[in-house]
Amino acid sequence: AQSVTQPDIHITVSEGASLELRCNYSYGATPYLFWYVQSPGQGLQLLLKYFSGDTLVQGIKGFEAEFKRSQSSFNLRKPSVHWSDAADYFCAVGIPGGGNKLTFGTGTQLKVEL
Amino acid sequence: DGGITQSPKYLFRKEGQNVTLSCEQNLNHDAMYWYRQDPGQGLRLIYYSQIVNDFQKGDIAEGYSVSREKKESFPLTVTSAQKNPTAFYLCATTPRDRAIGTEAFFGQGTRLTVV
Repeated sequence: AQSVTQPDIHITVSEGASLELRCNYSYGATPYLFWYVQSPGQGLQLLLKYFSGDTLVQGIKGFEAEFKRSQSSFNLRKPSVHWSDAADYFCAVGIPGGGNKLTFGTGTQLKVEL
Repeated sequence: DGGITQSPKYLFRKEGQNVTLSCEQNLNHDAMYWYRQDPGQGLRLIYYSQIVNDFQKGDIAEGYSVSREKKESFPLTVTSAQKNPTAFYLCATTPRDRAIGTEAFFGQGTRLTVV
């Protein structure tokens, strides 16, 4: 079965600093990959997704992620963090032909220092 | 506006009682899902439904039940058999099962507390 690991439970960065959130997955082939963001007490909003093609994916709010097959990783990046980016971030994988069910990582809580 | 409506936003239940969480969508999506979220555990799949009158168990279905009588609606019942029901529950939809390139759309969630 597939699994997702987000090794950083909490990350704190200063406003204006760069950000990288890590995501590693375990699956025998290339899965569908997603990053979602969640504000407190809210649902999840899709930031970006990867299915195939260009391994560098651009998303909303200035985020990007890079798929690295050799490392089974799909790390999320942002060049300059804004205070409003403080939230919980979830990496998820879906299996092609697997009915669109998603397996989520445990999430990374981002705090932004002003 | 098209979207997913979960109600209520907050729900309190006494031990031993069943409670039903509502999820309604007007996105015309075929597939619907229920996830449970606990602190530090991410989201876990409870049940999902790909078409009307059909549904499958997810990873943590024990103590829960669902129905899918209408395309727009996928209610979740938390039964008294669920030993630790206090959690945040999220409903999601996708346009079509097995379609390539679809992501899940989420409702705003229901926070259930057992008192």
